[in-house]
Amino acid sequence: DGGITQSPKYLFRKEGQNVTLSCEQNLNHDAMYWYRQDPGQGLRLIYYSQIVNDFQKGDIAEGYSVSREKKESFPLTVTSAQKNPTAFYLCASRHRGVLTEAFFGQGTRLTVV
Amino acid sequence: AQTVTQSQPEMSVQEAETVTLSCTYDTSESDYYLFWYKQPPSRQMILVIRQEAYKQQNATENRFSVNFQKAAKSFSLKISDSQLGDAAMYFCAYDQFYFGTGTSLTVIP
Repeated sequence: DGGITQSPKYLFRKEGQNVTLSCEQNLNHDAMYWYRQDPGQGLRLIYYSQIVNDFQKGDIAEGYSVSREKKESFPLTVTSAQKNPTAFYLCASRHRGVLTEAFFGQGTRLTVV
Repeated sequence: AQTVTQSQPEMSVQEAETVTLSCTYDTSESDYYLFWYKQPPSRQMILVIRQEAYKQQNATENRFSVNFQKAAKSFSLKISDSQLGDAAMYFCAYDQFYFGTGTSLTVIP
């Protein structure tokens, strides 16, 4: 089945540790996105990538890093520089083209203690 | 930067009735794309409807339709014949980059 997969669903880390969230899609989509969702704040764009080996910062990129070495994969690293990393993280992908439908993963809930 | 505002944090509707969710946005662009997404308790985001600003005609998808007022920068979502399965958070989005804070819709049996 085609789709977009985020793993793990729940993730716990100690403060000061870097952590990488996985996002994989087998839809042959060019564009991929990472969002952060906090209560009462909707979705905020962290990073996005339109093609392999290229990505751009969103509104809240500080404390995060990404890579796009393969079309299928767009991992997000939450670094120790991120002040408030505990949140729900969503990954999405879509074909290139502005009106195409975006498909979302099921999300990763990251808790930093 | 573009902004998207949803002024109704919570809304409720009786089953089979009609409800309208509001969304306004700010942009200096002349052509752009707007979306409504639904997020049920499972937190899986699902596209409800999309609209290209260049097109005057309001988009419609079965029971879902929009009222797009470009001059007023307004993009409201109308849900007709509401069903229990429509209960969810609804997010308005400007392209894939800017989302509103969401409206929680409750459907009353």
